[in-house]
Amino acid sequence: DAGVTQSPTHLIKTRGQQVTLRCSPKSGHDTVSWYQQALGQGPQFIFQYYEEEERQRGNFPDRFSGHQFPNYSSELNVNALLLGDSALYLCASSFMRGDGTPNEKLFFGSGTQLSVL
Amino acid sequence: AQTVTQSQPEMSVQEAETVTLSCTYDTSENNYYLFWYKQPPSRQMILVIRQEAYKQQNATENRFSVNFQKAAKSFSLKISDSQLGDTAMYFCAFRNNNDMRFGAGTRLTVKP
Repeated sequence: DAGVTQSPTHLIKTRGQQVTLRCSPKSGHDTVSWYQQALGQGPQFIFQYYEEEERQRGNFPDRFSGHQFPNYSSELNVNALLLGDSALYLCASSFMRGDGTPNEKLFFGSGTQLSVL
Repeated sequence: AQTVTQSQPEMSVQEAETVTLSCTYDTSENNYYLFWYKQPPSRQMILVIRQEAYKQQNATENRFSVNFQKAAKSFSLKISDSQLGDTAMYFCAFRNNNDMRFGAGTRLTVKP
């Protein structure tokens, strides 16, 4: 049973460029959340996708956008990259219960390390 | 807004001994979940233990246990019989609905 997989593992971009990160959730999971973890800090919530829609969003600018596909995989897009976007980007998956509430247990991938030069 | 505070940036413990990591949080919610995650050098966040706020009994998972004090909004992690493989960053996290908030982490080093 594959866990959460993310690609690529490392990425180097320059300021102003655009980047796309990818995530495949754990088998049986239908909900994907994205987190940004800056060096020396805890992860910060970017947004969550369920049924191909953004369900909730953290305090991140519109330069951060996402998408969820019918197979539940997800992409995180960041436009007009800034030096401050350098961070580890973590994807986490879970599943929605029958009553419409999210299961509280998140499974994380190993992340994509993004460096903006 | 919910906040999570870990006041110990770094801690160390001798192998086979016990260590306690501290965490406090702030929320006006009554129903929520609390977690401790471990992040080794591989960077993957691994769930160590979780606690439902409506349960008074403290959660335990083998060598890991918590001291959950709801009124004080405190959620500490105790690691017994520490092993070298426990060396990692440990993050305390709070979840209510879709929003999970993490503390800044505690770097734990287990010394042989």
